[in-house]
Amino acid sequence: GAVVSQHPSRVICKSGTSVKIECRSLDFQATTMFWYRQFPKQSLMLMATSNEGSKATYEQGVEKDKFLINHASLTLSTLTVTSAHPEDSSFYICSAVTIGGPSYNEQFFGPGTRLTVL
Amino acid sequence: QQQVKQSPQSLIVQKGGISIINCAYENTAFDYFPWYQQFPGKGPALLIAIRPDVSEKKEGRFTISFNKSAKQFSLHIMDSQPGDSATYFCAASATGNQFYFGTGTSLTVIP
Repeated sequence: GAVVSQHPSRVICKSGTSVKIECRSLDFQATTMFWYRQFPKQSLMLMATSNEGSKATYEQGVEKDKFLINHASLTLSTLTVTSAHPEDSSFYICSAVTIGGPSYNEQFFGPGTRLTVL
Repeated sequence: QQQVKQSPQSLIVQKGGISIINCAYENTAFDYFPWYQQFPGKGPALLIAIRPDVSEKKEGRFTISFNKSAKQFSLHIMDSQPGDSATYFCAASATGNQFYFGTGTSLTVIP
């Protein structure tokens, strides 16, 4: 299957700082990437849909000024958690959706980023 | 409203047994039904997926059964192994739209 990378895999930061997480599709282009948040023993919670060349679409209840998303190219999307607080500590996972070809609309996930805000 | 309902929440199976996880959906526009396997601390990995033009898809020990009229699909893991112990999520999407996930099933395979 297609490969999606995420960096960093783990980050610990102080309250009030900003953290940037990168999501890359390594061997395919993706016009659409998704950002999820996952709490322990729970399903994935969609935060936002990132579309290349346009503004992200945020789910209800997700603060767009706190979780800044940039989809700069067909292979890269970034999530910046601004002024992070302890309640932002979570497992953040991105995914990328294939376009075209026999494997269209398949979603592949990155390995996730564990964010801990002290 | 939960777009995709998944059951059971947890499942314990003996090694060599069959694990069965079920999902149901309402939106008839869905045309892609994947299953993901997730180990602790890792991102979900695509395990197997089906589109509604077929009723069954098999890859190795993993089989998806799809019932379009009942709007249900299930994952069967044959000859379950301890290494299969993980959380499994079903999902559904309509091409070009977001994916909706089930609540997950924690599978434990006992040696």
